[in-house]
Amino acid sequence: SYELTQPLSVSVALGQTATITCEGNNIGSKNVHWYQQKPGQAPVLVIYRDNNRPSGIPERFSGSNSGNTATLTISRAQAGDEADYYCQVWDSNTAVFGGGTKLTVL
Amino acid sequence: QLQLQESGPGLVRPSETLSLTCTVSGGPISSSGYYWGWIRQPPGKGLEWMGSIYYSGSTFYNPSLKSRVTISVDTSKNQFSLKLTSVTAADTAVYYCAGHGTLDYMDVWGKGSTVTVSS
Repeated sequence: SYELTQPLSVSVALGQTATITCEGNNIGSKNVHWYQQKPGQAPVLVIYRDNNRPSGIPERFSGSNSGNTATLTISRAQAGDEADYYCQVWDSNTAVFGGGTKLTVL
Repeated sequence: QLQLQESGPGLVRPSETLSLTCTVSGGPISSSGYYWGWIRQPPGKGLEWMGSIYYSGSTFYNPSLKSRVTISVDTSKNQFSLKLTSVTAADTAVYYCAGHGTLDYMDVWGKGSTVTVSS
């Protein structure tokens, strides 16, 4: 079965840029979606199909995908960005989520 | 704007069947080509997709759960449902319903329903 690997945690200083990776075999050939989840809340889509932002998501959120790594980038990190982030793809008609990355804003 | 709301028992006995329903509001369940899925999250852990259904009744399931999961749809009530058989403590989780395009992103989510498996 297809697997997605994310770092358990990432830290970023307030106002700096955070990068969260999602690794998978030839993930560049798939559409990658990213979700933000704050404690006690449902996930929220922040990036879809590699690098597209849904309405209402700040331009500070961006994504890229190539080779074996997809990346979520959060520029000018704010305290409100502190959350768990999950990548997701479809493989053989199965939705696969990464294990999640806890983003801490220092 | 579509909204989803999960409902069902918060406590299920081991070996019994977990049943949850997701009510879709703000539009017909047959709208916009959406598929309707269930995703769960055990305490302190990540997200696990369980399966999805189209309003026509076409389904696809996570192979790891396929033998225990059934998802059905009731278009007259604008609802879709989850049944998970032979539950154990490992099935304790927050269960979310969500909508997504064909093999695409999940852009509408319910708030989640906490289910505990315990005697």
